[in-house]
Amino acid sequence: AQSVTQLGSHVSVSEGALVLLRCNYSSSVPPYLFWYVQYPNQGLQLLLKYTSAATLVKGINGFEAEFKKSETSFHLTKPSAHMSDAAEYFCAVSDRSNTGKLIFGQGTTLQVKP
Amino acid sequence: NAGVMQNPRHLVRRRGQEARLRCSPMKGHSHVYWYRQLPEEGLKFMVYLQKENIIDESGMPKERFSAEFPKEGPSILRIQQVVRGDSAAYFCASSDPGQSHGRTEAFFGQGTRLTVV
Repeated sequence: AQSVTQLGSHVSVSEGALVLLRCNYSSSVPPYLFWYVQYPNQGLQLLLKYTSAATLVKGINGFEAEFKKSETSFHLTKPSAHMSDAAEYFCAVSDRSNTGKLIFGQGTTLQVKP
Repeated sequence: NAGVMQNPRHLVRRRGQEARLRCSPMKGHSHVYWYRQLPEEGLKFMVYLQKENIIDESGMPKERFSAEFPKEGPSILRIQQVVRGDSAAYFCASSDPGQSHGRTEAFFGQGTRLTVV
């Protein structure tokens, strides 16, 4: 069965600092991986996705993630945090039964300090 | 192009009442997913529907919960005889049937926050 683990339920960075949100997956087949962002009382918005093309994936708002098969990781990074990045971030793996359902990690809340 | 529309945004029900949550997918999408987000937790898959068909309901509780996606109208998630443990945010997502579902993006609505008192 596939699963996703996000290390660190809360991450705090200063404005302008590097953002690193960790995600490890477990999958018996090559995975499709996603990062979503959720702002307070909002739905989820796709940041980026990995679907077996380039291992370094660039997304919206300056975020990117690198798929590392050897480490079973798909960590999300952004070189310089902005106050507006404060939100909850979810890593997800797509169920390979081709139904398209997503298996989510527990989420990481990003706090950005001025 | 309107996104995924869910209503109501907030719903308060007393224990034992019924809750009906509605979801209209994006235009052109005929695949709908329902997820539940409990406090301090990630989203958990509940059910996957296509028009008039339930494709995968492996995440649905065995009792009191049902879902439908009729030929006309929105998808409905129905919870009968609600209990306090049903309090959560319920999200609907839709996707394009023309693509491989494993890799395609699912678009999410803003959710319905159900509070059972």
